[in-house]
Amino acid sequence: AQKITQTQPGMFVQEKEAVTLDCTYDTSDQSYGLFWYKQPSSGEMIFLIYQGSYDEQNATEGRYSLNFQKARKSANLVISASQLGDSAMYFCAMREGGNYQLIWGAGTKLIIKP
Amino acid sequence: NAGVMQNPRHLVRRRGQEARLRCSPMKGHSHVYWYRQLPEEGLKFMVYLQKENIIDESGMPKERFSAEFPKEGPSILRIQQVVRGDSAAYFCASSPRGRQDTSNQPQHFGDGTRLSIL
Repeated sequence: AQKITQTQPGMFVQEKEAVTLDCTYDTSDQSYGLFWYKQPSSGEMIFLIYQGSYDEQNATEGRYSLNFQKARKSANLVISASQLGDSAMYFCAMREGGNYQLIWGAGTKLIIKP
Repeated sequence: NAGVMQNPRHLVRRRGQEARLRCSPMKGHSHVYWYRQLPEEGLKFMVYLQKENIIDESGMPKERFSAEFPKEGPSILRIQQVVRGDSAAYFCASSPRGRQDTSNQPQHFGDGTRLSIL
């Protein structure tokens, strides 16, 4: 079974609009962490935001926020006021309990239109 | 640059040759992870190392692949007798702590090595 599911292979969004990238996860652990990474066309992997399973508030980092719905096991990334430079692949990843390895979704390709 | 350093950025090999990928973790990090990314896919865990120790190599193919993280110097991912299917991007990540870490430490990634097999 897929541990991390990103149902949107690709998205087109108008510049300056907000965009939500979906991520659902599957784990039986009570303690886990959820991460979002951005991979531009140049290929590097850039950490964006983290949400812990015990965090009561949704994480925010600048224009990035995480809509964490624990009961639904979803951790959607919201990008406000999108910019052309936001065009990239976006990956959701999870670390379970005391594990160290990250489990990755297949990614969503986001294209911002001018 | 205090980030994770990977080299080379691009590596081209012919079938049957050996590929060596290097990774220097962030300063102060003693835990290194290698991931492989096939085209249009997310990353897949390969191996986790601490200095001089392989902690978990469950994601690494049993044959032709090996990894090390010596006391001095970078971590090396070595692929012997490469085949076309080894073509991928190989990412190294590091963190200050590993198994005993709580979940909230992000792994910091290098820019990856793109391996192409002719």
